Amino acid sequence: DAGITQSPRHKVTETGTPVTLRCHQTENHRYMYWYRQDPGHGLRLIHYSYGVKDTDKGEVSDGYSVSRSKTEDFLLTLESATSSQTSVYFCAISGVAQTDYEQYFGPGTRLTVT
Amino acid sequence: GNSVTQMEGPVTLSEEAFLTINCTYTATGYPSLFWYVQYPGEGLQLLLKATKADDKGSNKGFEATYRKETTSFHLEKGSVQVSDSAVYFCALPYGSSNTGKLIFGQGTTLQVKP
Repeated sequence: DAGITQSPRHKVTETGTPVTLRCHQTENHRYMYWYRQDPGHGLRLIHYSYGVKDTDKGEVSDGYSVSRSKTEDFLLTLESATSSQTSVYFCAISGVAQTDYEQYFGPGTRLTVT
Repeated sequence: GNSVTQMEGPVTLSEEAFLTINCTYTATGYPSLFWYVQYPGEGLQLLLKATKADDKGSNKGFEATYRKETTSFHLEKGSVQVSDSAVYFCALPYGSSNTGKLIFGQGTTLQVKP
């Protein structure tokens, strides 16, 4: 199994508070991704990173920011959480984008915004 | 851009029944195609893949053939087990080739009854 951990695994927070989710990998993979999973929407890409300090937006990036200061860590921040951000968040990693595209997923973080 | 359409679920089968989950795609060229599986409470994991047209991917008794004529990558298994109960996602790359991004179908929930 790919070495990917996410923390916290569960979090309940109030509307308007900042929240940071952490993804940590031990595989030294270049590419990292944050997704959210919601019923009826499958997985949607929030942000991704193609190297240290190199990040870009996905299809549902509004209200989210990311940072990657080290190869192994990719942080997702909700600056001011809203109820629409209640979801399950998955981190994924990939080693070789151009020839493989295989992604490995973390166990997920269930976030509830009340 | 690339897109994927997956049959809606849930699919409910009895143990040892034959399974087909349909997946069709729209893509430029012939990208790799993937099936991911998500067991309850877990992240997604790669089930199988096919990297070029006419390839057959297989794993754990599941198979899928990359058919460019019908732009399809249907998942099949001859005899399902209760342990196959999960959500199945079809996926393919999208965007620039140096990002490793995948687009996922909506997911199909499979429930296998004893």
